[in-house]
Amino acid sequence: ETGVTQTPRHLVMGMTNKKSLKCEQHLGHNAMYWYKQSAKKPLELMFVYSLEERVENNSVPSRFSPECPNSSHLFLHLHTLQPEDSALYLCASSKGQTTNEKLFFGSGTQLSVL
Amino acid sequence: TQLLEQSPQFLSIQEGENLTVYCNSSSVFSSLQWYRQEPGEGPVLLVTVVTGGEVKKLKRLTFQFGDARKDSSLHITAAQPGDTGLYLCAGEWDSNYQLIWGAGTKLIIKP
Repeated sequence: ETGVTQTPRHLVMGMTNKKSLKCEQHLGHNAMYWYKQSAKKPLELMFVYSLEERVENNSVPSRFSPECPNSSHLFLHLHTLQPEDSALYLCASSKGQTTNEKLFFGSGTQLSVL
Repeated sequence: TQLLEQSPQFLSIQEGENLTVYCNSSSVFSSLQWYRQEPGEGPVLLVTVVTGGEVKKLKRLTFQFGDARKDSSLHITAAQPGDTGLYLCAGEWDSNYQLIWGAGTKLIIKP
C-alpha cells in the first residue's frame, strides 16, 4: 500500500466513449502526476499538478483532460480515444514538485481502447 | 535529448544466481533513482544515488553510480523469486524538473 489509490484498475472503452480515471493520495503531498506506461517504452510524463495548479502539460492530445479539484484528488477525463492510447496509466504523488522528491505511485489503470 | 538506456531488456535466470543490470546515458545526471515494479502494481522506489562512485546496498541488492554520473548498475546476489519485476531507472537532469526514464529491465527469477 503506497498511499496512492487509483480506480478503476481495468477499463475497456470504445473510441466514442467518455470515461474518467480517478486518483486519490492519502499522504498529504502537494504534487500529483499522470504518467503513461506502454510496453518496452520509458514512462511518459503527461501532466503535473502542484498545489492544484497545472505546471506541466507534455504536449498531450486534448482527448486527455486532467482535473485536480484539491491536493488529494486527480482525475484524467478521456474522450474519443484511439487504439494507440491503450496503456497503463499511472498516478503518482510527491511532497514537492522537484525531481529529487520521492515519487509514490498508484497501481495504475490498465486501459484498452477498442 | 537525454536518454537512459537499460540493458538487458529482459533477463530470466534460476533462483540463487547472481545478475547485473545496467542503466547508461551519454548525459550527466545529478542523481539517479532505481524503482521496482511488480506485475499489476506501480513502481516503488528502491534507492537514490547522488554522488559519483557511490555504492548503496539494500539487502542482496547493490546499486552503483558511475564516477562520471552517466551510468548506474544494479547487482543482485543470490536472486529470489520475490525479486521478479520490472526494474526502472530514472535520472534527474540539472535544470530540468522532469525525470528521464529508462524503458526498464524485465527480470524473472525461476524457482
